[in-house]
Amino acid sequence: QVQVQESGPGLVKPSETLSLTCNVSGYSISSGYQWGWIRQPPGKGLEWIGSIYHSGSTYYNPSLASRVAISVDTSRNQFSLKLSSLTAADTAVYYCARAFDIWGQGTMVTVSS
Amino acid sequence: EIVLTQSPGTLSLSPGERATLSCRASQSVNSNYLAWYQQKPGQAPRLLIYGASSRATGIPDRFSGSGSGKDFTLTISRLEPEDFAVYYCQHYDGSPYTFGQGTKLEIK
Repeated sequence: QVQVQESGPGLVKPSETLSLTCNVSGYSISSGYQWGWIRQPPGKGLEWIGSIYHSGSTYYNPSLASRVAISVDTSRNQFSLKLSSLTAADTAVYYCARAFDIWGQGTMVTVSS
Repeated sequence: EIVLTQSPGTLSLSPGERATLSCRASQSVNSNYLAWYQQKPGQAPRLLIYGASSRATGIPDRFSGSGSGKDFTLTISRLEPEDFAVYYCQHYDGSPYTFGQGTKLEIK
């Protein structure tokens, strides 16, 4: 059974960089698929942040591209998100997903001093 | 960027009724790279439909998707109590992937 699980800090200060990790179990990232990050501000809709393919190719939402980096660590079977220059508008539940068919439970990130 | 517009914003129906949700794209979605998700409060979205009309694993056959080009529909043939939730459409026809704003399906 394929599972993905987000981990990272729940509270980050403005202007700092958010680092989240998605641990994958039941499937080897290097075998295929795209792996992505999606976020959802409280009470609002879903926003795609970006995706990385098993080959290492990345695709980012243009609205966030200047602040986003997604990477993969096949040895640990995990992929990561870095989002810099945080503001309160980045407060959201952050989800990782495999090709949008398998989602993590999400992790709430609050940007506040 | 493809903008997806869902209608209605809120749909009030009773269990046993038929629900029809619409998703309209600002430009044609190639190869019907269109998906539908269900999201309940406090939960992650769950994939229902991909490729506009293919049901994801484990999804009951009362859920069906149709459409092509710019117009897509999610139909729930007979509503069960557990179907009341928010539904999102999403295209994956090239970056940036975008979601519709959602349709809330509530009990009448």
